[in-house]
Amino acid sequence: NAGVTQTPKFRVLKTGQSMTLLCAQDMNHEYMYWYRQDPGMGLRLIHYSVGEGTTAKGEVPDGYNVSRLKKQNFLLGLESAAPSQTSVYFCASSYEPRQPQHFGDGTRLSIL
Amino acid sequence: AQKVTQVQTEISVVEKEDVTLDCVYETRDTTYYLFWYKQPPSGELVFLIRRNSFDEQNEISGRYSWNFQKSTSSFNFTITASQVVDSAVYFCALRAGNNRKLIWGLGTSLAVNP
Repeated sequence: NAGVTQTPKFRVLKTGQSMTLLCAQDMNHEYMYWYRQDPGMGLRLIHYSVGEGTTAKGEVPDGYNVSRLKKQNFLLGLESAAPSQTSVYFCASSYEPRQPQHFGDGTRLSIL
Repeated sequence: AQKVTQVQTEISVVEKEDVTLDCVYETRDTTYYLFWYKQPPSGELVFLIRRNSFDEQNEISGRYSWNFQKSTSSFNFTITASQVVDSAVYFCALRAGNNRKLIWGLGTSLAVNP
């Protein structure tokens, strides 16, 4: 029962470096989401996807890009990391918006 | 506008006390769904319950119960006889109308002390 798997779990970057966070789900869900969680700010939606080949902006999309080339994978990219992007990143998926979202275990990202 | 307000930011109780976490929502849509999630200190987010706007029945699951009141736009969560393992951040969320996204509250941090 893998559910939603995020890779990596931890990462430290230097300012200006790039990286990609991978999210994989094995539940055949159409919808996938990337959130960031910062102290006192709850969960903020970065980008989401309503199906293979689609992406849409959330409430805090600046500095991030995403791709959904395969239904089961949703990639989050940071082209030029900034200290303000230090956060815990969560991926989630759902069959459709009325259904509960299933979350990965999170990626803790520190940018120095 | 759609909004979720979790009234308490932090709650601290002693084990075996009952505790209620308040969630107040705003939406003009008549069809909507409300969710509660738990985030224990280990960090993962765990789905607890979903309730739709047409079902005002209260729900009980073991020591957990949920009170949905459309008249006050509230979906409150009560833990009876709290335990240390209940210590977590609890999030309330709303999906209303045709919105493809959830609107999240900022969470209530619950500490249950032995």
